[in-house]
Amino acid sequence: GAVVSQHPSWVICKSGTSVKIECRSLDFQATTMFWYRQFPKQSLMLMATSNEGSKATYEQGVEKDKFLINHASLTLSTLTVTSAHPEDSSFYICSARGGRHTEAFFGQGTRLTVV
Amino acid sequence: AQSVTQLGSHVSVSEGALVLLRCNYSSSVPPYLFWYVQYPNQGLQLLLKYTSAATLVKGINGFEAEFKKSETSFHLTKPSAHMSDAAEYFCAVSQTPTGTASKLTFGTGTRLQVTL
Repeated sequence: GAVVSQHPSWVICKSGTSVKIECRSLDFQATTMFWYRQFPKQSLMLMATSNEGSKATYEQGVEKDKFLINHASLTLSTLTVTSAHPEDSSFYICSARGGRHTEAFFGQGTRLTVV
Repeated sequence: AQSVTQLGSHVSVSEGALVLLRCNYSSSVPPYLFWYVQYPNQGLQLLLKYTSAATLVKGINGFEAEFKKSETSFHLTKPSAHMSDAAEYFCAVSQTPTGTASKLTFGTGTRLQVTL
């Protein structure tokens, strides 16, 4: 399978600051990337879908001004959590699809803790 | 509309015993169904997928699942559990075979514990 890498794996930030999470497709061009949020012992909730070169499509209830998604290239998408608060603490996972692959591949996730 | 229900948030089996993880789905159109495995602090890895071909689907690591339309089920099984199978398992449904152009809807997950 293809490789999708997320960075960082974990991050701790102070309340009120912004945090950027990167999602890279290492060996294929990702035309579509998905961002999920996972609370402890819960399932993955889709936050937004991004296609390279266009604006992300956010799911209902997800604040687009708080969770900024950029998909400027075929190998990189970023999620920026702006003005983070403790309730934003969660596990964020990206997945990517494209090239010859018909399925999406998941990154290893980023654990965000806001203190 | 589509949804997935995983019965049992936690399943414990002995090493060598049968693994059975239950998944029932609801979909307004013919569904495409997936099982993923997640190890601690990691992303998801696709175990297998049903895309309207054979109803019995074989996946990696000895897992398989059977699509039963009459029961709206897609239970995951493995004849003999191994310690390395201990992980969180998610069932997911989509309206496209790739699970990507359309949205993947995940179940709440089942944590599999394997004991000696």
